[in-house]
Amino acid sequence: GENVEQHPSTLSVQEGDSAVIKCTYSDSASNYFPWYKQELGKRPQLIIDIRSNVGEKKDQRIAVTLNKTAKHFSLHITETQPEDSAVYFCAASRPGNQFYFGTGTSLTVIP
Amino acid sequence: GAVVSQHPSRVICKSGTSVKIECRSLDFQATTMFWYRQFPKQSLMLMATSNEGSKATYEQGVEKDKFLINHASLTLSTLTVTSAHPEDSSFYICSARDFWGSTEAFFGQGTRLTVV
Repeated sequence: GENVEQHPSTLSVQEGDSAVIKCTYSDSASNYFPWYKQELGKRPQLIIDIRSNVGEKKDQRIAVTLNKTAKHFSLHITETQPEDSAVYFCAASRPGNQFYFGTGTSLTVIP
Repeated sequence: GAVVSQHPSRVICKSGTSVKIECRSLDFQATTMFWYRQFPKQSLMLMATSNEGSKATYEQGVEKDKFLINHASLTLSTLTVTSAHPEDSSFYICSARDFWGSTEAFFGQGTRLTVV
């Protein structure tokens, strides 16, 4: 099955700085890569996603990049705010199949 | 977006009893639902894939007799933790993709199971 690795496991940034989280995947057939934000005790919320036919996608302060050849994708959050503090998960999926999640990154934005 | 409802949100049970968790897709049909388990401060670990009208597919290391999954309709999947023990205490969460293969997965609220 798919193996998704995520780094770093914890990340602290000053408010206003950027945060970058990186993931790698193993299954070349995976073609959908979502990023989820999860607050304590709550369900994961999709924040951005990218398909394998696209190299980059941006939504306001959040962007995701994908390198299919190297099988890695990254989440970029600019101008971080305290409310961005949460655990972030990357995931990889084949069409219609289950998602395999990375190990998570606990992001803390220091005011 | 689509809504997935999971019930109960919290349950406390005694060792040796069984607990059923329901996962419903409220406004779309889900031929496939997924069950995850999450330990504190850890990632979501896929337990099994639930397919409507057929047997679930379990991930390696997950006991199918311990975690019974039933997907009787296009909108409902259930996970039953049988003969629960304290080590089964965890956060269980389901997700679903709609019938037409939408890329996005929608998550239930999760169930905090505590076995005492």
